[in-house]
Amino acid sequence: EVQLVESGGGLVEPGGSLRLSCVASGFTFTSYTMNWVRQAPGKGLEWVSSISYRRVGTYINYADSVKGRFTISRDNAQKSLHLQMNSLTAEDTAVYYCVRGAEEAAGDSWGQGTLVTVSS
Amino acid sequence: DIQMTQSPSAMSASVGDRVTITCRASQGISHYLAWFQQKPGKVPKRLIYTASSLQDGVPSRFSGSGSGTEFTLTITSLQPDDFATYYCLQYYNYPYSFGQGTKLEIK
Repeated sequence: EVQLVESGGGLVEPGGSLRLSCVASGFTFTSYTMNWVRQAPGKGLEWVSSISYRRVGTYINYADSVKGRFTISRDNAQKSLHLQMNSLTAEDTAVYYCVRGAEEAAGDSWGQGTLVTVSS
Repeated sequence: DIQMTQSPSAMSASVGDRVTITCRASQGISHYLAWFQQKPGKVPKRLIYTASSLQDGVPSRFSGSGSGTEFTLTITSLQPDDFATYYCLQYYNYPYSFGQGTKLEIK
């Protein structure tokens, strides 16, 4: 059974930083692109970032709203996905989901999410 | 960047009704589209991928169609469990993008 378990959310002041993690199990982690998707309270879904893994290298993409502030990474040995979030603002307040897949597998499995609240 | 526009944003329907939700892309995305269902307080669940392929375990009353810029999600014979918010997602290229959602409520 595919499992994605996020951690690291919490309350942070504007301008602060937070690091989210997601531990994966039940599938071959290196075979999948991994993503972060967020959902602000009462709002829709927003794709945040993706990281793929190929023998020739790692490919990373970001939404314009987080580019330059967020950094996605993965540790294939630990089967984990991370999101380093810097210079946080109130607009970053959301539930952050760890989501498996790209192309045909895009969004086929989701974690339960971790809540990030940016407030003074 | 590709913009995804869903219509309607909200709708009400009755159990047993046939419902269609539309998603339009700002440029052609071939068949690289998925549909998700989200209930309040729950994690989104994928229903359809590659525009028309049914996710394993999803009831056959759900179907998807379309290619290029216009896509539809159809639910035949609505069941009480189907009242939720539905999102489309384009994965043709990065940045991936979701539609704004369609909230389906009980009439």
